[in-house]
Amino acid sequence: ETGVTQTPRHLVMGMTNKKSLKCEQHLGHNAMYWYKQSAKKPLELMFVYSLEERVENNSVPSRFSPECPNSSHLFLHLHTLQPEDSALYLCASSQRFRGADEQYFGPGTRLTVT
Amino acid sequence: AQSVTQPDIHITVSEGASLELRCNYSYGATPYLFWYVQSPGQGLQLLLKYFSGDTLVQGIKGFEAEFKRSQSSFNLRKPSVHWSDAAEYFCAVVINNAGNMLTFGGGTRLMVKP
Repeated sequence: ETGVTQTPRHLVMGMTNKKSLKCEQHLGHNAMYWYKQSAKKPLELMFVYSLEERVENNSVPSRFSPECPNSSHLFLHLHTLQPEDSALYLCASSQRFRGADEQYFGPGTRLTVT
Repeated sequence: AQSVTQPDIHITVSEGASLELRCNYSYGATPYLFWYVQSPGQGLQLLLKYFSGDTLVQGIKGFEAEFKRSQSSFNLRKPSVHWSDAAEYFCAVVINNAGNMLTFGGGTRLMVKP
């Protein structure tokens, strides 16, 4: 595998389910990101993890919970989601968080909440 | 409020015609500026970026962008569009010294007529 991979590519879940999205980067980067892309709003940063710090968008509801066990893997744990959470969730990575390094994006997970 | 604006939601051009996609930002200082492209079912790919120096920036796939400080703009251009350029294009910024957090415009969907 090369670049940034995301699994699953598609996910349908009920509002009472618990599921997790997985992201893996094979680029040796030190920062990873979760973005949300919905039909009605611009791409929105949700969370950032780097060796030095974690940053989160304060508008993200607590039903989204990130986990970054190491610099290559990033998870987004989902529980009791709402239909408006249906979106494309994109993972990205970059060499550093401080600075404006290019971010490399995965193909995304298309999430549908029923 | 700080923002990135892409005034054109949809643009249709004929193959071989020239293209200009508009992007304006509103920040107190000049941010780092990016253009990304997203093909259907794909993640985002960086076309080009501007940090400082020459205000005309060359990117991949024959694209270029010009930074105009007086207009707070960073418009993307291509002299001759190919059918494979049909995609969604996103302008984005990173605020200097604020960490590598992209703020995106709403995107412009480009359609190419044969």
